[in-house]
Amino acid sequence: QVQLQESGPGLVKPSETLSLTCTVSGYSISSGYYWGWIRQPPGKGLEWIGSIYHSGSTYYNPSLKSRVTISVDTSKNQFSLKLSSVTAADTAVYYCAKFLSVVDAFDIWGQGTMVTVSS
Amino acid sequence: DIQMTQSPSSLSASVGDRVTITCRASQSISRYLNWYQQKPGKAPKLLIYAASSLQSGVPSRFSGSGSGTDFTLTISSLQPEDFATYYCQQSYSTLTWTFGQGTKVEIK
Repeated sequence: QVQLQESGPGLVKPSETLSLTCTVSGYSISSGYYWGWIRQPPGKGLEWIGSIYHSGSTYYNPSLKSRVTISVDTSKNQFSLKLSSVTAADTAVYYCAKFLSVVDAFDIWGQGTMVTVSS
Repeated sequence: DIQMTQSPSSLSASVGDRVTITCRASQSISRYLNWYQQKPGKAPKLLIYAASSLQSGVPSRFSGSGSGTDFTLTISSLQPEDFATYYCQQSYSTLTWTFGQGTKVEIK
């Protein structure tokens, strides 16, 4: 079955760029689907960051658009998130997820990775 | 942006209780409404999509209803494993998805 796993540094300094990768197993990204990033600050709710189609088309949350870049590497079956100029407000658990268009929902999620922004 | 508002923010209930959670959209979203369950330290899990369709493997005590701007998630008989936080999410606004703030279901 399809599985997703996030990876990347758990600590990022303020003003630097947060970089995370999601590795997909059990399915070839190049075959289809939208893939997305969602985050959750400690004790708070879920915020959609952005999504990418297997072709590379990207869609971002307007509130984060100026700082976000999502890319896909089909050769590694991975997609990645870069969030620039981070502040303490970007401290959160970051999830990658698969969006199933036939049901218009995120049906499979990674386990999440905690990223803390601190000097 | 479409805003999603859930109520209540939290509730206390006993095993066997019927529980209802409400989600309201800031504009009509037809039936493009999903519900997720999240347990502490875990990723969200899709429960219901398209307002009322049960995701595969989800117990039938969960049900969803509504259309337009008002939606409900009902748990017909609360079980110990149902204590969690529940989120609604709209998928009407193409490729710009938003979540509600969550409803925490706690043990009374």
